Amino acid sequence: AQSVAQPEDQVNVAEGNPLTVKCTYSVSGNPYLFWYVQYPNRGLQFLLKYITGDNLVKGSYGFEAEFNKSQTSFHLKKPSALVSDSALYFCAVRDTDKLIFGTGTRLQVFP
Amino acid sequence: DTEVTQTPKHLVMGMTNKKSLKCEQHMGHRAMYWYKQKAKKPPELMFVYSYEKLSINESVPSRFSPECPNSSLLNLHLHALQPEDSALYLCASSLNRGRGSYEQYFGPGTRLTVT
Repeated sequence: AQSVAQPEDQVNVAEGNPLTVKCTYSVSGNPYLFWYVQYPNRGLQFLLKYITGDNLVKGSYGFEAEFNKSQTSFHLKKPSALVSDSALYFCAVRDTDKLIFGTGTRLQVFP
Repeated sequence: DTEVTQTPKHLVMGMTNKKSLKCEQHMGHRAMYWYKQKAKKPPELMFVYSYEKLSINESVPSRFSPECPNSSLLNLHLHALQPEDSALYLCASSLNRGRGSYEQYFGPGTRLTVT
């Protein structure tokens, strides 16, 4: 079965510093990987996806993610964090007709 | 337009009530989903509709009854719920299932409280 793991419950970063939110995956076959962000009391917003092609995927709001096959990772990154990036981030993998979500990582960006 | 709308935003209901949640999208998506999300947890898939037919039911109790009247609308009928059913209910849609672009677009959710 497909799965993703987010090893950090919370990530703290100062505004202006680079941020990384980690995700590792376990799949059979080619992985279809996604990142979503959720602000308080809101639905999930799609940030980016990896299907095939370049290992560096660019998404919304200045976010990007690096697909690493040898390390089975798909970490979310941003060069310069904003306070408004503070939210709950979910990594997900496609499993036939479903999305399997990680447990989520709370990102806190301090001014 | 990548918008999925859900009504109502908030719902409080007693355990003997019958209520419905509504979801709508006009993106031409043919797959629609219901999720349940508890606080600080990932969404849990409940149902999947593909081309207006129920394709996945994740062993959801029968007190939750989904309906897809047409390709743009998805309802979730609620009856005799339990307090533990209190959660954020999210609707999502995607272009298709099984191949190609598979990102799901989520609505803002309905915050349900069962008293």
